[in-house]
Amino acid sequence: KQEVTQIPAALSVPEGENLVLNCSFTDSAIYNLQWFRQDPGKGLTSLLLIQSSQREQTSGRLNASLDKSSGRSTLYIAASQPGDSATYLCAVPVGADGLTFGKGTHLIIQP
Amino acid sequence: SQTIHQWPATLVQPVGSPLSLECTVEGTSNPNLYWYRQAAGRGLQLLFYSVGIGQISSEVPQNLSASRPQDRQFILSSKKLLLSDSGFYLCAWSPTLGDEKLFFGSGTQLSVL
Repeated sequence: KQEVTQIPAALSVPEGENLVLNCSFTDSAIYNLQWFRQDPGKGLTSLLLIQSSQREQTSGRLNASLDKSSGRSTLYIAASQPGDSATYLCAVPVGADGLTFGKGTHLIIQP
Repeated sequence: SQTIHQWPATLVQPVGSPLSLECTVEGTSNPNLYWYRQAAGRGLQLLFYSVGIGQISSEVPQNLSASRPQDRQFILSSKKLLLSDSGFYLCAWSPTLGDEKLFFGSGTQLSVL
């Protein structure tokens, strides 16, 4: 059974710092991995999707990498801003049955 | 462009009462539809998914059921709510099964008292 783990569970850093969020998965036979952002009491917004054939994807100040063989993905946020404060979740497909999610990293960017 | 609507945003229901949450998608045809539940400290759990009208797959045995009466409509129901049904319910859609991004609704916070 695929399990997704995110470390750290919570992170608080001053504005302007670069930071890395980690995601690991137990079954490396995935064909993509997604990173989502969730604001309190809101739905999830897809940030980046990395196909299994790719090693990384970039969108603005966000960069996500994927290492299938080691079962890891990282989300790099450059020059963090208070508006980046949210919970970040990673997820991998489970056969044809939707996605399996990690529990998320709760990120606070201090102004 | 595609949009997903989910309502209500919040709901407080007594134990034993029925439940009906509705989700609709606009701007696409034959989407794959999903219901997830997010409970405190437990992450997102897939409850149901549907690849077409009347086709429902259940991931977790539970007090809930789902229906897809129309192509872009997905309904989550219960005949009698339990305290353990409290949580944040999210509807989502994807254009293909597992190959593309998943797009979420804004969620329904359900409190069963």
